[in-house]
Amino acid sequence: EVQLLESGGGLVQPGGSLRLSCAASGFTFSNYVISWVRQAPGKGLEWLSDISGSGGSTDYADAVKGRVTISRDNSKNTVYLQMNSLRVEDTALYYCAKEAWNYAYFEDWGQGVLVTVSS
Amino acid sequence: EMVMTQSPATLSESPGGRATLSCRASQSINSHLAWYQQKPGQAPRLLIYGASTRATGVPVRFSGSGSGTEFTLTISSLQSEDFAVYYCQQYNNWPRTFGQGTTVEI
Repeated sequence: EVQLLESGGGLVQPGGSLRLSCAASGFTFSNYVISWVRQAPGKGLEWLSDISGSGGSTDYADAVKGRVTISRDNSKNTVYLQMNSLRVEDTALYYCAKEAWNYAYFEDWGQGVLVTVSS
Repeated sequence: EMVMTQSPATLSESPGGRATLSCRASQSINSHLAWYQQKPGQAPRLLIYGASTRATGVPVRFSGSGSGTEFTLTISSLQSEDFAVYYCQQYNNWPRTFGQGTTVEI
């Protein structure tokens, strides 16, 4: 069974930083692209970033480019999202999601981790 | 950026009824469309990919159709557990984008 477990969320002040983690199990981790998708309170879904199975290729949405870095450690079956210069509008539930093989839709999702940016 | 527009925003139906949800892309996305279901307090769940292929374990009452710019998700006989928010997502163009969601309520 595929499992994705996010951690690292919390309350941070504007301008602060957080590192989210996504621990995966139940599949051959290094074979799959992993994405981060967020959902602001009461709002829809927004794709943020993804990383290839090897970690050699990354992509970012314009909304977070330059402030966010995605990485992965295949020895730990974990993907990370380093978020810097956080803004109030970054307040959201952050999901990691496993993409389908060769297609960029999301087969499996974690339960999400809440990030609150507030002074 | 590809804009995905879902309609209606809210759909009121009765258990046993038929629900038809629409998703329109601002440009052709071939059949690179997925549908997700999200219940309160839960993560999204993949229902349909490739516009019409049901994901593993998805009941046959869920069906998807369309190609190009117009897509439809149909729930043939609504069960109580189907009342939720439904999102479409395109994966033909970068960046992948979602519709704003349709709430199916009683």
